[in-house]
Amino acid sequence: SQKIEQNSEALNIQEGKTATLTCNYTNYSPAYLQWYRQDPGRGPVFLLLIRENEKEKRKERLKVTFDTTLKQSLFHITASQPADSATYLCALGRTGRRALTFGSGTRLQVQP
Amino acid sequence: DTAVSQTPKYLVTQMGNDKSIKCEQNLGHDTMYWYKQDSKKFLKIMFSYNNKELIINETVPNRFSPKSPDKAHLNLHINSLELGDSAVYFCASSQAGLAGTGSYEQYFGPGTRLTVT
Repeated sequence: SQKIEQNSEALNIQEGKTATLTCNYTNYSPAYLQWYRQDPGRGPVFLLLIRENEKEKRKERLKVTFDTTLKQSLFHITASQPADSATYLCALGRTGRRALTFGSGTRLQVQP
Repeated sequence: DTAVSQTPKYLVTQMGNDKSIKCEQNLGHDTMYWYKQDSKKFLKIMFSYNNKELIINETVPNRFSPKSPDKAHLNLHINSLELGDSAVYFCASSQAGLAGTGSYEQYFGPGTRLTVT
């Protein structure tokens, strides 16, 4: 069955460092992958999308890579700030299917 | 000017009751969704509507019935509530792209925390 794995343990890093979050998947051939941020008590907020034919995408301090051979995406936040503390969800999508399949998320804690 | 709104935000009810959650989006999107987020934080798709037409219906008990009166609204009615229905329910919307090109970036509402006692 399809499986999306994100680190279930929280990631604690020091302010100013780069945070790297991992999303691995099995039994799935996504056409694209999205990353969302979720704060406690709120709905997820879209951050970045990367398609299967793209290796890397950047947006300000965020960078996403997508390796369809390894079946893995890495999400980087450079120069991290305490305000970046949240749960980050990866989500996979297929062409023509509008709903996403989400991972369980990784909680990031940035210490000042 | 909230993009996707849901009511109520909290819903506490007893087993066996029937309840509804309402969702509205003012983004002009033509696709809306209901997701369920359980205690382990997995977000799972339940239903999706495109222009008032049901296009995705995952394995969900038929006690759950979505209704879309127009493309800006998608409501969720739940009959005979059970303890296992306790979760946070999120409504979302997206804009359909051209066939085969859409990426369906989703805009989520604030969620409705349902507690069944």
